[in-house]
Amino acid sequence: ELKVEQNPLFLSMQEGKNYTIYCNYSTTSDRLYWYRQDPGKSLESLFVLLSNGAVKQEGRLMASLDTKARLSTLHITAAVHDLSATYFCAVDKVNGYALNFGKGTSLLVTP
Amino acid sequence: EAGVAQSPRYKIIEKRQSVAFWCNPISGHATLYWYQQILGQGPKLLIQFQNNGVVDDSQLPKDRFSAERLKGVDSTLKIQPAKLEDSAVYLCASSPILGRREYGYTFGSGTRLTVV
Repeated sequence: ELKVEQNPLFLSMQEGKNYTIYCNYSTTSDRLYWYRQDPGKSLESLFVLLSNGAVKQEGRLMASLDTKARLSTLHITAAVHDLSATYFCAVDKVNGYALNFGKGTSLLVTP
Repeated sequence: EAGVAQSPRYKIIEKRQSVAFWCNPISGHATLYWYQQILGQGPKLLIQFQNNGVVDDSQLPKDRFSAERLKGVDSTLKIQPAKLEDSAVYLCASSPILGRREYGYTFGSGTRLTVV
């Protein structure tokens, strides 16, 4: 069974600070996805990482993938309140094409 | 391009009643997924279709849940009879072609089901 673990599950940080969310998965995969979910809303695609060493950046968010370590990181730079949301990482099923999600990281950015 | 459409947005039913959800994927998307998201958890795959065929339904509680995708376009997910633990958001997602992962997966707004 493919397991996806995120940490931390809850994160409260001050505006202007930096932090990293970690996503570990249990079996071989070279495809990892990051999504954002606002309360009561659906999932918004942030990043699609398709190979070892992939790095993508959008605004204050940067995601990377290390398939050998089975680890992805989502780095937040100089956080702002608008980044408050729940962030999910997800991995394709082995030999399949559907997503297995982590439990999510609930991020709160405070003044 | 229009997104993944789902209806209804909200539904409240009593336990043991039946309920149905509808999803219309992005035009041309061959693959359609139904996920269940319980409050505070990540979405869990229920069933995956490729065109009108089932690719994976291993996590679908088949004694009460059923799904179909007639004509390979829109899809319905049904629960009969509903249990309290079925209270969740039901998300529909689609992707262009099986194996074209660079496009990712697009999710609909979901249907929030409350079973009382």
